[in-house]
Amino acid sequence: DQQVKQNSPSLSVQEGRISILNCDYTNSMFDYFLWYKKYPAEGPTFLISISSIKDKNEDGRFTVFLNKSAKHLSLHIVPSQPGDSAVYFCAAHGGATNKLIFGTGTLLAVQP
Amino acid sequence: DAGITQSPRHKVTETGTPVTLRCHQTENHRYMYWYRQDPGHGLRLIHYSYGVKDTDKGEVSDGYSVSRSKTEDFLLTLESATSSQTSVYFCAIREWQANTGELFFGEGSRLTVL
Repeated sequence: DQQVKQNSPSLSVQEGRISILNCDYTNSMFDYFLWYKKYPAEGPTFLISISSIKDKNEDGRFTVFLNKSAKHLSLHIVPSQPGDSAVYFCAAHGGATNKLIFGTGTLLAVQP
Repeated sequence: DAGITQSPRHKVTETGTPVTLRCHQTENHRYMYWYRQDPGHGLRLIHYSYGVKDTDKGEVSDGYSVSRSKTEDFLLTLESATSSQTSVYFCAIREWQANTGELFFGEGSRLTVL
């Protein structure tokens, strides 16, 4: 039972354009959502998060949008750069559980 | 960078042999986690610890055991390795005050079971 889903295994965009990565979840008890970025042969690194009481959080070129009624969040990267090419994981934190549940990841390729 | 190191970074072993992966942190964080990363499955939680000698199972704990006798070390043991346990294993740590759930990950340990 996958509680956090990323339905697009891969995404390719042109440099300078917008990248939109999507994530769906099933558990309404999640209170924080996070995005991680992972380069090959490295550990995942934290990118940006959003509380369940917010609908948008922005950090430079990265913006996360949360639609609680649809149980959907998205990560927007504008403008996309070749260095953004990586696997992006969506993750959700469920309050008292102390666990972070990850999606399956989306491989983003930004073409120069 | 969070002070977290994993060892060994690479290991090749044979089916049926025991394997122990070590995670060491210098941050004195309470929470420590072991995940495995596999194509098509993302990152899946194996076990985690919320203090010395306090551990709990994750979503894919079968075939794995853990121990935490000191705050700084969290060991993951495969008692009898199988080919299905070929994977990249990541350790992660979290401050107890971090209610966002944010984790800091190690560099990973690549395990191949032949």
